[in-house]
Amino acid sequence: QKEVEQNSGPLSVPEGAIASLNCTYSDRGSQSFFWYRQYSGKSPELIMSIYSNGDKEDGRFTAQLNKASQYVSLLIRDSQPSDSATYLCAASTDSWGKFQFGAGTQVVVTP
Amino acid sequence: DAGITQSPRHKVTETGTPVTLRCHQTENHRYMYWYRQDPGHGLRLIHYSYGVKDTDKGEVSDGYSVSRSKTEDFLLTLESATSSQTSVYFCAISGADDYGYTFGSGTRLTVV
Repeated sequence: QKEVEQNSGPLSVPEGAIASLNCTYSDRGSQSFFWYRQYSGKSPELIMSIYSNGDKEDGRFTAQLNKASQYVSLLIRDSQPSDSATYLCAASTDSWGKFQFGAGTQVVVTP
Repeated sequence: DAGITQSPRHKVTETGTPVTLRCHQTENHRYMYWYRQDPGHGLRLIHYSYGVKDTDKGEVSDGYSVSRSKTEDFLLTLESATSSQTSVYFCAISGADDYGYTFGSGTRLTVV
C-alpha cells in the first residue's frame, strides 16, 4: 500500500526560529509533491509544490526533495504565531491527479 | 474558498438514511475529488472525476457513490449512512493532473 508518513507532532517552535517538517513516501513512482497548511476547523490550503530534486524557496518557506531517499521536507524560516497549524504532505499516485496524503504534523509557534 | 463551494456545511443524519453532499466549482476545472478526513488518518480519497460522467473509485469508496452530470457539479451520495461515515468531507478541484488542489470549505457530517 502506498503510504506517506509524517511525524504527528506537536512540533513546538519558538517565534523567529526555523521549523523543520519531514515526510517520507513509499511509492517510487511519485513525481509531484505538495505541502498544505490546515488551520484548525478549516480546509487545507496549498503552500508549496515541488517536482525536482533539490530545494525550492517561496518567501519564508523552502521545500526540499530527495527522490533517491524518498524524502520531502518543509522549512519555515522566521516562524510566526500565524504559522501554528497542521502541515500536510502529499505525494502523487499513478495518474488522474490523485495524491496520497500524510496524516499531518501539528506545528505550534510559541511567542 | 473562491471558485469552489460545498453544501451543506454541517449535517446531522440518522443511520440508514441516504445523504447527498454537493460540490460546485466555477473554475471550469477538469478534475474533481471527494476526500474524507478523520483524526489519525489524514485525507483519504473516496471518489474522483476526470470529466463529465467520468468517475472512478478511490481507496475508501465502499458505501459511497458519485455523479458528475455537469463540469461544475460533483455530487457525493452516502447510500445508507452509517456511524463510520461520520467525518469531515472535502471536495477538491484541480486544473491538471500534476497541479495541487484547491479545497472546498468542507462538510461536517454526523451520523447518529
